[in-house]
Parts: sequence; structure tokens; C-alpha cells
Amino acid sequence: DTGVSQDPRHKITKRGQNVTFRCDPISEHNRLYWYRQTLGQGPEFLTYFQNEAQLEKSRLLSDRFSAERPKGSFSTLEIQRTEQGDSAMYLCASSSKQGAANYGYTFGSGTRLTVV
Amino acid sequence: KQEVTQIPAALSVPEGENLVLNCSFTDSAIYNLQWFRQDPGKGLTSLLLIQSSQREQTSGRLNASLDKSSGRSTLYIAASQPGDSATYLCAGFTGTASKLTFGTGTRLQVTL
Repeated sequence: DTGVSQDPRHKITKRGQNVTFRCDPISEHNRLYWYRQTLGQGPEFLTYFQNEAQLEKSRLLSDRFSAERPKGSFSTLEIQRTEQGDSAMYLCASSSKQGAANYGYTFGSGTRLTVV
Repeated sequence: KQEVTQIPAALSVPEGENLVLNCSFTDSAIYNLQWFRQDPGKGLTSLLLIQSSQREQTSGRLNASLDKSSGRSTLYIAASQPGDSATYLCAGFTGTASKLTFGTGTRLQVTL
């Protein structure tokens, strides 16, 4: 197991199209997070899963965004009717069940979305 | 609103210098802190995690400290190398979900 994997690495889409990103966490990690990072800024929290349960969502996650984690394994983040303001790096991270606060986060390489 | 501030925003130093990156936070609810490195266009690489009970962590040439009472953390890099060139981000943990609140980063360039 080599870490957190995200797919695709880059996505260019036309405004109004739907896109879906995938994240595969470290296999023994039961906690999974999505963050969004715009140019020149630090990442901002979007949502958090513990196993398959989505326990917290940011106000940044509008109704066009939906995240799932079926069976508590991989996760998907879907953006419907993309807007230019959605252009950003979408980062996934996982942590062990002992908690991110105790063992820290492991981030993936991110998916860079460009909406044209 | 929770805020994490990093100073300086950018820093250029010659190879071999020791340097300090600063991180300050206003939210007393931040309990632990993690430092990350980010290369251009890439994801985040964890450097050090400091729990509030530990106050300090070391890994190789890196040393990070945390003072919750003053709302400050520092990352000390000894004997800097060109390969250290990257953006360094600090992030504080809050809440039961252990969410991270990030600073905007310090962009470091180490020149030959």
C-alpha cells in the first residue's frame, strides 16, 4: 500500500458538465477527508467520513457537490453543473482510526480541476 | 472565524542557512498542529505533527514547536538545501472530526 491515491490527476471540463473524482485511502485508515485548495491559498475542509458515514460537511459544499464512501473504502466526490469558480485542486486525505489528531493526515496528490 | 497566519509569505535564502518559519493562530480551540510541505502542483507531504502535550517535535533537520498559550508554532530548518524549496503549510486541528484549518503558506526558495 503506497499511500492515498487520487484519480484523475488533472481534469479539464466545460462549464455546466458534471465531474467525478475518486480517492483510495490507505487501506487500514477508516477516516477520509476532502479538502479544496485554490491558487495561493491553503486547503479548506469540505467533508469528512468515518467508515461509510459522512459525519461533517462544510458550508463550502453546495448542493451541486456530493460525496460518497460506499462500504467505507474508496470515496467519490461529484460536482454537478460545474462553474468556473469550482476550478481548484481537490485533495483527499485519510487517517487511522486512532485519529488524525494522534497520527496526522496522509494526503493524496490531488485532482486539479479546470473549468473552461 | 478561525484564522491561521504564516509569516513570511515568501522567503529566499542561500544554501546552508538555518531558517525559521512562523505560524500563528487565533482560535484557542486548536489543539494539535501539523506542518506540511507542498511542491508546485502537487499534494501535501506531512513533515511533523505536534500534539499540544508534546510542544516540540524533531525529524532530521526539521524541528517544530507549539505554544498554545501564545497561539504560535515555528518550523526550524537547519542547514537548508535547494531541495527544501517548496511551500510550507501549517494547519491546526479542531473539533471531534479533527478538521484542519490551514495557513496560506510560506514559499521558500533555497539558492545555490
